[in-house]
Formats: sequence, structure tokens, C-alpha cells
Amino acid sequence: GEDVEQSLFLSVREGDSSVINCTYTDSSSTYLYWYKQEPGAGLQLLTYIFSNMDMKQDQRLTVLLNKKDKHLSLRIADTQTGDSAIYFCAESGRVSAGNMLTFGGGTRLMVKP
Amino acid sequence: DSGVTQTPKHLITATGQRVTLRCSPRSGDLSVYWYQQSLDQGLQFLIQYYNGEERAKGNILERFSAQQFPDLHSELNLSSLELGDSALYFCASSRGTGVQETQYFGPGTRLLVL
Repeated sequence: GEDVEQSLFLSVREGDSSVINCTYTDSSSTYLYWYKQEPGAGLQLLTYIFSNMDMKQDQRLTVLLNKKDKHLSLRIADTQTGDSAIYFCAESGRVSAGNMLTFGGGTRLMVKP
Repeated sequence: DSGVTQTPKHLITATGQRVTLRCSPRSGDLSVYWYQQSLDQGLQFLIQYYNGEERAKGNILERFSAQQFPDLHSELNLSSLELGDSALYFCASSRGTGVQETQYFGPGTRLLVL
């Protein structure tokens, strides 16, 4: 299977919380990242978590890491229409891959007013 | 704005042609990475340079090559272009090569091969 997997699509109402999920396969992954891509734009780094942590909070963003299940999630509190974008999970630090990033396929978040 | 710049923003060319994409890393960053984003393959790592030397190679075709110059800017050369090379090409940079290094991405070059 794919090294990093994400669901394709998520739709939420403005003001609700969004939770975007990601699973990865390589237990030697050291850092896990969330990037945001708006239409026609590049990749914006949102946040990252080191593999020895299980949670990181940064303003409206909360990252949860379950290393046993190799599951990562990104929670966006009070989701706004400006949060509509594609969100990519990525991992690095695999023994076999140096610090290149391996990306999931991206989750398209649609926020309805 | 990440501080990474890429030119050109858009490129339209024909099959069989050769193009050069350019990237300037953030000030102080020594590592440059190239990624390809296509509809069928998603985001894939192509190649990494560190301080002028090739550091790591990913799924880069033999028709593609890259280099990093003494001023640390990098160029990605794509030759004998095929329709399937149409994609968004991103450059990223980081301070060094350690696994803790965060990569910052440029806005990308959108290549269309007709």
C-alpha cells in the first residue's frame, strides 16, 4: 500500500471543528508535517510534530500522533472559509530516505458558510 | 511568503523540447529540494542538493537533471519533454540536511507540455 494515506475529501460548516486524518507505514519516521495548499499556490507549512511527542497545539491547530497505530491527525478549531484548501500530511526521517518528505495524497477541505 | 522564489511561474512548451526551472532558496539555506506534483503521481521527491553537491535522489527520470550553483540557487533541467511531464514543480529549501530540518516551499512552476 501507499506509504502515507489520507482521505480525499472533508466538508464542514463554518465554525465547526475539522479533523483531517493521516496514516503512515514506516515506524522509523521521525518528523511528521502538515502542509496547506490553496488553489494555484505553493505549499505552506502549518505545523509539525516530532515522533516522540503525542500532541502539539498551535493556536487553532492541534496535532495528535498515535505512534503505535501510525496515525496522525490535524484538528482545526473554529474552521473558517479561508481554511478551505488541500491539506497534505508528510513524513521524513525514515532510515531509508534521509530527510526527503514523503507526502500523502492530500485531503481537500471544503468549508461551507 | 516562504522566502523561496521560483521562476518562471508558468511555462508552456511542446513535446520534445527542453526547459530550465530556477529556484532561489531562503537566505542562509544550503539545501535545495525539487518535488513534482502531478494528478496521477501526487507529490513526489525528485532530488536534493546541499551546498552544491547532490545529496539524495528520488523518482527522477534520466531525462531530468539538476544542479546547485555556488550562489546556492538551483536549476532543474527537463529534456525530451513528454505530455506526462506536465505538472507543478516545487522547490523547497532548508538550513541543512538533518532530519529535523523544516523544508519551506516556493510557489512552484506550472509546466504544460502540449
